[in-house]
Amino acid sequence: KQEVTQIPAALSVPEGENLVLNCSFTDSAIYNLQWFRQDPGKGLTSLLLIQSSQREQTSGRLNASLDKSSGRSTLYIAASQPGDSATYLCAVHGSGNTGKLIFGQGTTLQVKP
Amino acid sequence: DAMVIQNPRYQVTQFGKPVTLSCSQTLNHNVMYWYQQKSSQAPKLLFHYYDKDFNNEADTPDNFQSRRPNTSFCFLDIRSPGLGDAAMYLCATSRDSSPPTFGSGTRLTVV
Repeated sequence: KQEVTQIPAALSVPEGENLVLNCSFTDSAIYNLQWFRQDPGKGLTSLLLIQSSQREQTSGRLNASLDKSSGRSTLYIAASQPGDSATYLCAVHGSGNTGKLIFGQGTTLQVKP
Repeated sequence: DAMVIQNPRYQVTQFGKPVTLSCSQTLNHNVMYWYQQKSSQAPKLLFHYYDKDFNNEADTPDNFQSRRPNTSFCFLDIRSPGLGDAAMYLCATSRDSSPPTFGSGTRLTVV
């Protein structure tokens, strides 16, 4: 059974710092991996999608990497801003005919001005 | 814009009183999902519809049911809400195994 773990559960950094969020999964047979952002009390916003054949994806200040063989992904945020404060969730999509996702519990990020 | 719409955004229900949450989509996706997310926890899949076929997750309580009257709409019914059912309920859709599109969620409070 696939399990997804995110470390740390919470992170507080001063504005401007570069930071890395970690995600690990137990079954390397994944179709893709997504990183989402969730603001308090809100739904999910997709940030980056990495296909199983890819090593990384970039969008602006965000870079996500995937090492399928070791069951790890990282989300790198460059030059953090207070507006980046949110919970970041990673989710893996296993094989099958649907887009079912298994989520980690998230890392709650606070960026202090 | 094509999207996934959940109504209402906030729902307050009484302990034990049946409640229905709704989800609609304009994407013409064939798969619709319901996830439950309790405070500070990972979203957890309750069930999904592949076309008209209902697929329940093994550990979804019997208290949770779903209906999909047509391609566009899907409902989550909680027959007898308990305090432990207070959560954010997220609806999502996809075309087969494509990445899902999520709605904004409904936050359910049980009093």
